[in-house]
Amino acid sequence: AQSVSQHNHHVILSEAASLELGCNYSYGGTVNLFWYVQYPGQHLQLLLKYFSGDPLVKGIKGFEAEFIKSKFSFNLRKPSVQWSDTAEYFCAVKATGGFKTIFGAGTRLFVKA
Amino acid sequence: NAGVTQTPKFQVLKTGQSMTLQCAQDMNHEYMSWYRQDPGMGLRLIHYSVGAGITDQGEVPNGYNVSRSTTEDFPLRLLSAAPSQTSVYFCATSTGRVRNYGYTFGSGTRLTVV
Repeated sequence: AQSVSQHNHHVILSEAASLELGCNYSYGGTVNLFWYVQYPGQHLQLLLKYFSGDPLVKGIKGFEAEFIKSKFSFNLRKPSVQWSDTAEYFCAVKATGGFKTIFGAGTRLFVKA
Repeated sequence: NAGVTQTPKFQVLKTGQSMTLQCAQDMNHEYMSWYRQDPGMGLRLIHYSVGAGITDQGEVPNGYNVSRSTTEDFPLRLLSAAPSQTSVYFCATSTGRVRNYGYTFGSGTRLTVV
């Protein structure tokens, strides 16, 4: 069965700082990987996804993530955060061809203006 | 195009009561899932469906029932509510099995069991 680990539960950054949120998954086969964002009081929205090919994927709002197969990792990055990036971020994994998507516990990001 | 519609948005139940959380989608998505979100635990899969008439259990199915009689609807039933079921419930849909394009989420139902 798949599992997802997000190492940072809370992150506080100042505006313009760089962001990297860690995500590691556990699964022996090929996977699809996702990052979702949940702004305060809202539902989850898809930030970006990886299926195959280029391990560096770009999403909305300047976010990107890199899939490192040897490390079972899919870290989320943004070069310069804004106050509006304050939200909770969830990493998720699905076995390729499977049905279940498993989510990590989430990382709460607070960006100081 | 409404996307994924969940009702109600808020609900308070007494222990032992039953209720149904509704989820409807108009995107013709084959896959529908129910998750619960609890602080520090992320989202945990309760039940999911890969099409009308087909459902299966997720990570935390106990105390919940589902059915999928149509492509559009995927209700979640709490048979006898318990305080441990206090949570925010999200319905999520997607299309494509191999080329899953990620979920579209509903706005959630905040349930409190007293």
